[in-house]
Amino acid sequence: DIQMTQSPSTVSASVGDSVTITCRASQYTRNWLAWYQQKPGKAPSLLIYDASSLKDGVPSRFSGGGSGTDFTLTISSLQPDDSATYYCQQYNSYPWTFGPGTKLEIK
Amino acid sequence: EVQLVESGGNWVQTGGSLRLSCAGSGFSFPNFVISWVRQAPGRGLEWVLAINGRGSATYYSDSVKGRFTVSRDNSGNTVSVQMNNLRVEDTALYYCAREFCSGGSCYLDFWGHGTPVTVSS
Repeated sequence: DIQMTQSPSTVSASVGDSVTITCRASQYTRNWLAWYQQKPGKAPSLLIYDASSLKDGVPSRFSGGGSGTDFTLTISSLQPDDSATYYCQQYNSYPWTFGPGTKLEIK
Repeated sequence: EVQLVESGGNWVQTGGSLRLSCAGSGFSFPNFVISWVRQAPGRGLEWVLAINGRGSATYYSDSVKGRFTVSRDNSGNTVSVQMNNLRVEDTALYYCAREFCSGGSCYLDFWGHGTPVTVSS
């Protein structure tokens, strides 16, 4: 199975700042990596797929990068509504696996 | 509008069984793989299983293989999961999600709101 790690586990930033979350896969995953946002009490919501493609309707403040085994999610011009937990997930091969999540707190 | 609605979650004793369902609407249901992902209280996301559009191929995580069985009824736009021999560690909120596939890339583009399963002794 492909193991996914994320860092940091928690990040705190102010409105208007930018943050970058990193995700690393234990094996090559091509660019088949997604990022999800989950707010408390809600289902996860897709933000980015294929490492860098933005889902329709997701603000352009969200961007994804990387390839192979190392990936990033960058959120620029942070808004209060961005407070959530962010998960990466590989879909190169079953079983799909998720990173442990990064909790973003807006000061 | 794409919608996925889970049902069937409940409290059950260890060793017991439950049957979860996921009803899809707003899209061509037989054309999509459906996955189930669970989230234990206060924990992260864990992919559990998937079934292809025709129901001819199924995939399971090692943690549920041999205990959970997934099936689908495309005439009723539903996917069901029969969960047997439940363990305390199966306690979680269970989400169904649609896999959008294009050019070999398949990702979870829409999720239901989840149905809770509690297993205790």
